[in-house]
Amino acid sequence: DAGVIQSPRHEVTEMGQEVTLRCKPISGHDYLFWYRQTMMRGLELLIYFNNNVPIDDSGMPEDRFSAKMPNASFSTLKIQPSEPRDSAVYFCASTPTGGGKEAFFGQGTRLTVV
Amino acid sequence: AQKITQTQPGMFVQEKEAVTLDCTYDTSDQSYGLFWYKQPSSGEMIFLIYQGSYDEQNATEGRYSLNFQKARKSANLVISASQLGDSAMYFCAMRDGDKYIFGTGTRLKVLA
Repeated sequence: DAGVIQSPRHEVTEMGQEVTLRCKPISGHDYLFWYRQTMMRGLELLIYFNNNVPIDDSGMPEDRFSAKMPNASFSTLKIQPSEPRDSAVYFCASTPTGGGKEAFFGQGTRLTVV
Repeated sequence: AQKITQTQPGMFVQEKEAVTLDCTYDTSDQSYGLFWYKQPSSGEMIFLIYQGSYDEQNATEGRYSLNFQKARKSANLVISASQLGDSAMYFCAMRDGDKYIFGTGTRLKVLA
């Protein structure tokens, strides 16, 4: 398996623009997580899905952020409108059901909002 | 609330020496999992080692071992025979229920 695939790897956008980050989890994994990594706040869980259903979005910072998982092989994280403070590395991770399983991370998307 | 604490922002170790990275956790659940990840300067998150709360033996994976002390709620990572390539950020994480919660990380620098 190719692992968790995220696109784009790097995104530079202007403040106010819409940004969409994409993630393809590992086939057969039931859980998908979106994390944001910054120097100040470390790795924050934004939202996670189980079987394509959002379970906990309490980490989503505000209404400008939204996430969807229309099917088992695709998820998006959208920021609209983007702000400079959204600049961070965004990771997608997936894992199968069952204890003792690590989260498999994608390479991350480095977002810069200018 | 569940919490992971890594109190060492940065550590230095001499090449070929062993180093211990500290991690304490807080949970009221009886069943949970503990993980360590490595994040090199290239940015990817690399899984290193896992310990289940019911595992009686400390986990080992090559040069990595996890010193699990359940009563003290600690899960320290021990890296033996450090190599220059071990220089990276190291994160302790806990899976409590569905979610993975991460500590703030320890930056390890291996000196030649």
